[in-house]
Amino acid sequence: AQSVSQHNHHVILSEAASLELGCNYSYGGTVNLFWYVQYPGQHLQLLLKYFSGDPLVKGIKGFEAEFIKSKFSFNLRKPSVQWSDTAEYFCAVKANAGKSTFGDGTTLTVKP
Amino acid sequence: EAQVTQNPRYLITVTGKKLTVTCSQNMNHEYMSWYRQDPGLGLRQIYYSMNVEVTDKGDVPEGYKVSRKEKRNFPLILESPSPNQTSLYFCASSYRSGGGPSTDTQYFGPGTRLTVL
Repeated sequence: AQSVSQHNHHVILSEAASLELGCNYSYGGTVNLFWYVQYPGQHLQLLLKYFSGDPLVKGIKGFEAEFIKSKFSFNLRKPSVQWSDTAEYFCAVKANAGKSTFGDGTTLTVKP
Repeated sequence: EAQVTQNPRYLITVTGKKLTVTCSQNMNHEYMSWYRQDPGLGLRQIYYSMNVEVTDKGDVPEGYKVSRKEKRNFPLILESPSPNQTSLYFCASSYRSGGGPSTDTQYFGPGTRLTVL
């Protein structure tokens, strides 16, 4: 069975601080990994994804994530957060056969 | 405009009264899926469909039914809703499942907030 664990449920940062959100997964097959973001009052949208190749992937709005196979991790990073990054962030694993598993989510609050 | 639409967006109903939440996509996507979002639990997959007439259970299928008779539509049916099904529901679709990064990204609908009294 596949599972996703996000380490932090709520993170509070000041603007310009660096961000790292942890994500660990458990899955026996080929992994397809995603980070989605949900801004207040909006629906989920893709931030970035990893399927194969370079383990460091870059997404929108300056976000990046690193896939470390040996640690079963896919942590999200941003060097300098902005107030507009306040949102809920979800790590997800998707199997080729269709089943999709999301983490519990991390709420990020950025103080101006 | 490419999009996933859900109706209704908000629904308050009573225990036991059958309801259907519709989901439609205009992107010719093969893969569609339903999730529920609850505080502290993230998104949990209810059912998914790899293509027309092909559906499978996700992690929390109990109390729900789905059908996929047409490619664009994937309705979620609650035959006898109960208060523990009060939640925010999202429909999502992707071009295909297992086809790689250009086809596996899911596009989400705006959500349906359901309250069962």
